[in-house]
Amino acid sequence: DVVMTQSPLSLPVTLGQPASISCRSSQSLVHSDGNIYLSWFQQRPGQSPRRLFYQLSIRDSGVPDRFSVSGSGTDFTLKISRVEAEDIGIYYCMQGTQWPLTFGGGTKVET
Amino acid sequence: EVQLVESGGGLVQPGGSLRLSCAASGFTFNKYWMNWIRQGPEKGLVWVSRINADGTNIGYADFVKGRFTISRDNARNTLYLQMSSLRVEDTAVYYCARNTDAWGRGTTVTVSS
Repeated sequence: DVVMTQSPLSLPVTLGQPASISCRSSQSLVHSDGNIYLSWFQQRPGQSPRRLFYQLSIRDSGVPDRFSVSGSGTDFTLKISRVEAEDIGIYYCMQGTQWPLTFGGGTKVET
Repeated sequence: EVQLVESGGGLVQPGGSLRLSCAASGFTFNKYWMNWIRQGPEKGLVWVSRINADGTNIGYADFVKGRFTISRDNARNTLYLQMSSLRVEDTAVYYCARNTDAWGRGTTVTVSS
């Protein structure tokens, strides 16, 4: 199975300041079709996960543009340009290049 | 509006069984892959099982193979997860997800004596 490793585990943030989360995969996530099936999810306290990005950099509907993603191969990053109160929660990366789907352990973004 | 509503969770003893359901609405259910994903208490997300649009392609995580069965009824727009030989470590919130772009609120399964 592809192991997804996120860092940091916990990310203290200041509202209005930037934040960055790293995700690393144990194998390249480049699929034989050339796509990278890497997704990012946000889980606010008490809520279900919500997908933010898929196929590396395709933004889901309604996701604010203060969120951005980058990466290739095995190293990926989610950035928030200016953290807002509604961004507090746990963020997960997930690979869909190989079955089984596997998630990172999560990064808790907190004030 | 896409809606996924899970039900069927509860308290069960080790070795027992439960059947989870996920009622889908707001989209053409029979055109989508569906997944079950779980989240243990204060833990992360773990994929459990998948089924393709017509039910002919099914997969399971190793830790549930032989114990859980995924199925769907496209006429009823409903996804199922039959769980048997339940273990304490199966305790979790179980989410159904359309691919991974839409998630239900989850149903809680507690396995305890």
